[in-house]
Amino acid sequence: AQSVTQLDSQVPVFEEAPVELRCNYSSSVSVYLFWYVQYPNQGLQLLLKYLSGSTLVESINGFEAEFNKSQTSFHLRKPSVHISDTAEYFCAVILSSNTGKLIFGQGTTLQVKP
Amino acid sequence: DARVTQTPRHKVTEMGQEVTMRCQPILGHNTVFWYRQTMMQGLELLAYFRNRAPLDDSGMPKDRFSAEMPDATLATLKIQPSEPRDSAVYFCASGLVSRNGYTFGSGTRLTVV
Repeated sequence: AQSVTQLDSQVPVFEEAPVELRCNYSSSVSVYLFWYVQYPNQGLQLLLKYLSGSTLVESINGFEAEFNKSQTSFHLRKPSVHISDTAEYFCAVILSSNTGKLIFGQGTTLQVKP
Repeated sequence: DARVTQTPRHKVTEMGQEVTMRCQPILGHNTVFWYRQTMMQGLELLAYFRNRAPLDDSGMPKDRFSAEMPDATLATLKIQPSEPRDSAVYFCASGLVSRNGYTFGSGTRLTVV
């Protein structure tokens, strides 16, 4: 069965510091990988996705994630965080088959401190 | 921008009452999900549909929950009877092609007292 593990439930970091949010998945078949962000009292927004090709994918607000097939990981990084990045971040996976079932990790709360 | 619309945004009800939550997926999207979010359990997949047919509802307590898509523009999630442990935020999401990811609504915050 496929599953997604986010290794850190909370990540506190100071403003302008770099951050990495870790995500590992388990699947015996190829997958599509996603990161979603949830700001307080809002729904989830798609941040970035990996489908195929280049293993490094980027979002418009400075986040990037790298797909590592051998380590079955899809860690999210940002070289310099802002206060406004404070939110909950969810890693998610879909089997690249016909079901389209989206499975989420437990979420990581990023707390950016001034 | 196209949006997934969920109603109501907030609902407070007494234990034992029926609750109906509605979702209007983005026009043209053929896949609709229902998730429940709580502090303890995180995001749980309750059910999802493709072309209005249920694909998987194994995450949903069948004795009190039901999910339907009466037409392509409306998905409903009903709880009857409701219980305090059902208190959560319920999200709907829709999409057309899974590789593009899915668009989420703003959620319905349900409180059962």
